[in-house]
Amino acid sequence: GAVVSQHPSRVICKSGTSVKIECRSLDFQATTMFWYRQFPKKSLMLMATSNEGSKATYEQGVEKDKFLINHASLTLSTLTVTSAHPEDSSFYICSARGLAGGSYEQYFGPGTRLTVT
Amino acid sequence: SQKIEQNSEALNIQEGKTATLTCNYTNYSPAYLQWYRQDPGRGPVFLLLIRENEKEKRKERLKVTFDTTLKQSLFHITASQPADSATYLCALMGGGADGLTFGKGTHLIIQP
Repeated sequence: GAVVSQHPSRVICKSGTSVKIECRSLDFQATTMFWYRQFPKKSLMLMATSNEGSKATYEQGVEKDKFLINHASLTLSTLTVTSAHPEDSSFYICSARGLAGGSYEQYFGPGTRLTVT
Repeated sequence: SQKIEQNSEALNIQEGKTATLTCNYTNYSPAYLQWYRQDPGRGPVFLLLIRENEKEKRKERLKVTFDTTLKQSLFHITASQPADSATYLCALMGGGADGLTFGKGTHLIIQP
């Protein structure tokens, strides 16, 4: 299957600072990239959807000024958590979708564990 | 509102038996249904995709069925192994550029 990488895998930051997470599709061109967050023992919650070169579409309840998404190319998307607070601590997972065999297959990165102290 | 239900309790299966996981949905007409495996602290790993006009799909020891009348998908792992122990997520997607909507997942434990 396709490979999606995420960096960093773990990050600890102080409250009030900003953190950037990178997501790359390594062996295919992703028409769309998605960002999810997941709390322990909970399902993945979609935060935003982004297409290359256009503004991200945020899900209801997700602050676009707090979670900045940039989709610079068909293989790279970044999520910046601005002015992070302890409640932003979570597991953030990116996903990339490409057209394969007539179907939209979606592949996930390994996730980034963010801890805000 | 859209709802996806998976068995929230852990499913314990004896090694070598077939594990069957259920995914039911309401208020949704998905174009695709996907199953993922997730291990603790890791991102989901894509397993299988089945389209709305497909009844069944197989991949090695995995089999997925999709019944749009019952609004249900079944995920089977035959000849189960302890290494199959993980959380399995059902995810639905409409057509176009919609994001996936996930169930909460079923934690599968294969006992030696």
